[in-house]
Amino acid sequence: EDQVTQSPEALRLQEGESSSLNCSYTVSGLRGLFWYRQDPGKGPEFLFTLYSAGEEKEKERLKATLTKKESFLHITAPKPEDSATYLCAVGSNFGNEKLTFGTGTRLTIIP
Amino acid sequence: EPEVTQTPSHQVTQMGQEVILRCVPISNHLYFYWYRQILGQKVEFLVSFYNNEISEKSEIFDDQFSVERPDGSNFTLKIRSTKLEDSAMYFCASRRFDGGDTQYFGPGTRLTVL
Repeated sequence: EDQVTQSPEALRLQEGESSSLNCSYTVSGLRGLFWYRQDPGKGPEFLFTLYSAGEEKEKERLKATLTKKESFLHITAPKPEDSATYLCAVGSNFGNEKLTFGTGTRLTIIP
Repeated sequence: EPEVTQTPSHQVTQMGQEVILRCVPISNHLYFYWYRQILGQKVEFLVSFYNNEISEKSEIFDDQFSVERPDGSNFTLKIRSTKLEDSAMYFCASRRFDGGDTQYFGPGTRLTVL
């Protein structure tokens, strides 16, 4: 069974203080690893898709990296508007369509 | 930029009543999904739909649930007889056909069963 574990559960940072969020996964053949941002009461907003170990993607202050067992979402010099819950999900190669999500990391950036 | 839309944003119903949640996927997408998120819990897969049939469903998606694509633009989730434990946010998602794996999510419908 596919599993995704995210840590920490919550993270408070001062504005400008860089950090990383972790996503550990086990999956029967990785089809893709996905990062989403979720604001309270809203749907997941797509950020990145990673397909193979060593791959990196960047968008503004965010950079996602992937190894064979985990992914990191690095946030550089965050701003208060980066406050949200960041969700990690995996898709499997073996015949199924579903994404398996972690419980997320709730990030708060303090001005 | 094209988006997935969902209606209503909030639905309140009595236990045992039927509800239909509606979604308009992104126009050139061919794979459609429903997920749910109980308050404070993770997003959970319910069902995937392609070529007018269910391609995969989870254990949650029992006989009380059904999905339909009644026309070229809408995708619906019906819950026949709602239970208290069906209270959750329900998200629709869609994906392109041409090898793109990313699922794009709508804003959700908050279902409250009293």
